[in-house]
Amino acid sequence: DIQMTQSPSSLSASLGERVSLTCRASQDIGASLNWLQQEPDGTIKRLIYATSSLDSGVPKRFSGSRSGSDYSLTISSLESEDFVDYYCLQFANSPFTFGSGTKLEIK
Amino acid sequence: QVQMKQSGPGLVQPSQSLSITCTVSGFSLTTYGVNWVRQSPGKGLEWLGVIWSGGSTDYNAAFISRLNITKDNSKSQVFFKMNSLQADDTAIYYCVSNFYWYFDVWGAGTTVTVSS
Repeated sequence: DIQMTQSPSSLSASLGERVSLTCRASQDIGASLNWLQQEPDGTIKRLIYATSSLDSGVPKRFSGSRSGSDYSLTISSLESEDFVDYYCLQFANSPFTFGSGTKLEIK
Repeated sequence: QVQMKQSGPGLVQPSQSLSITCTVSGFSLTTYGVNWVRQSPGKGLEWLGVIWSGGSTDYNAAFISRLNITKDNSKSQVFFKMNSLQADDTAIYYCVSNFYWYFDVWGAGTTVTVSS
């Protein structure tokens, strides 16, 4: 199975700050990676698909990129509603696997 | 727009089975697939399986012996059934569409507690 190592597990940041979250894939997954956002009530929303494509309606402060086996989600300027949980997901090979999550906390 | 509406029990007895129905709208099951994912505090998010548009399925090997996913295209419904539940199957279960690329729209989740 492909392991997705997500870091950090938690991040404390301030409003307006720029932050980056990372997932490292244990095998080549090409561009087959999504970023998900989870609200405290459990609602899950896809933000980024295929590594770097922004979903419709998602604010442009969110972006995705890749460097080798490292995949990043960057939020350019944090807003209050961004302080929730984030997960990566690889769908290159079955079983599809998730990162362990990043909890974004307000400083 | 795409919607995924889940229905199913919240409490399951140990050793019993779990059945959840996912009713989709905004797309046809004859064209797009549906995944099942669960989330538990101990194991995080786990992909359980998928039913593809043609009706074939792929399951996570960890669950293949006790998982069955079927569908009724005419009713736009996908049926999830997992057998022999134990306490560590306590989790939130989600159905997720593959309408626009993979894992695009998530259902609200069904919270399942395995307890006597």
